Amino acid sequence: GENVEQHPSTLSVQEGDSAVIKCTYSDSASNYFPWYKQELGKRPQLIIDIRSNVGEKKDQRIAVTLNKTAKHFSLHITETQPEDSAVYFCAASEGTGGFKTIFGAGTRLFVKA
Amino acid sequence: GAVVSQHPSRVICKSGTSVKIECRSLDFQATTMFWYRQFPKQSLMLMATSNEGSKATYEQGVEKDKFLINHASLTLSTLTVTSAHPEDSSFYICSAWGDNEQFFGPGTRLTVL
Repeated sequence: GENVEQHPSTLSVQEGDSAVIKCTYSDSASNYFPWYKQELGKRPQLIIDIRSNVGEKKDQRIAVTLNKTAKHFSLHITETQPEDSAVYFCAASEGTGGFKTIFGAGTRLFVKA
Repeated sequence: GAVVSQHPSRVICKSGTSVKIECRSLDFQATTMFWYRQFPKQSLMLMATSNEGSKATYEQGVEKDKFLINHASLTLSTLTVTSAHPEDSSFYICSAWGDNEQFFGPGTRLTVL
C-alpha cells in the first residue's frame, strides 16, 4: 500500500521568511496530492492540492510542486505570518471521489514574530 | 462547500463499555466514508473505509470486531468502539468526498477511563 514520508517534523522560521515542507510517496498509482493545515483539536483544512498532470500550482503565498518521476512533492509558503503556525500534512490518493487518502507524519510549523 | 458532522464531539466512558460515534454528510450523499484515528501529536491514521450497503474495508492491524462500522444510508456512517480501553483514547475523525474534495468531520475526542 501507499506510504507517505514527510520532512521536517518541526520547522521554525522568522516571520516573513519562507517555509518548505517535503514529502515522498511510494505508490505510482497515486495521482492526487493534497496538503492540509490542522490547528490543535480541529479538523484538517485543505489549503492546496495538485494532480499528477501538473508540475506546479500556486495560490497566493502557497505553492506546491510535484515531481512524479521521483515521487516527490513539496509545499512552499512565502512571506510567512504568525497565523501560519500550525501542523501541516501532506497526503496522497489514487484520485478524488471515493479513494482513500494516506497522510504523512506532519510538520509542526512555528512562525516567530 | 460540503459539510460533514460528527456526534458526539467529546465522550468520556469507563473501560469495558462501548461507544458509538456518528458521521453525517449534511448536504450531499456519500457512498464511501473514511474513519481515521489521531493520537496526540501524530498523524491521521486511516482505520477503515465505510461502504454504504456493504461491509467496511479495514486497514491492516485494525480489529474489525473491536471497531464496528455501519454505513446504513448515504448520509450516515457509525463507528462503534466495543469494549473500550484506555489505549483506545484518541481523536476519531471521519471524512467523505464531495465536489472532488475530501471533507472532514470536526472529530470526536474519546477518553476511556
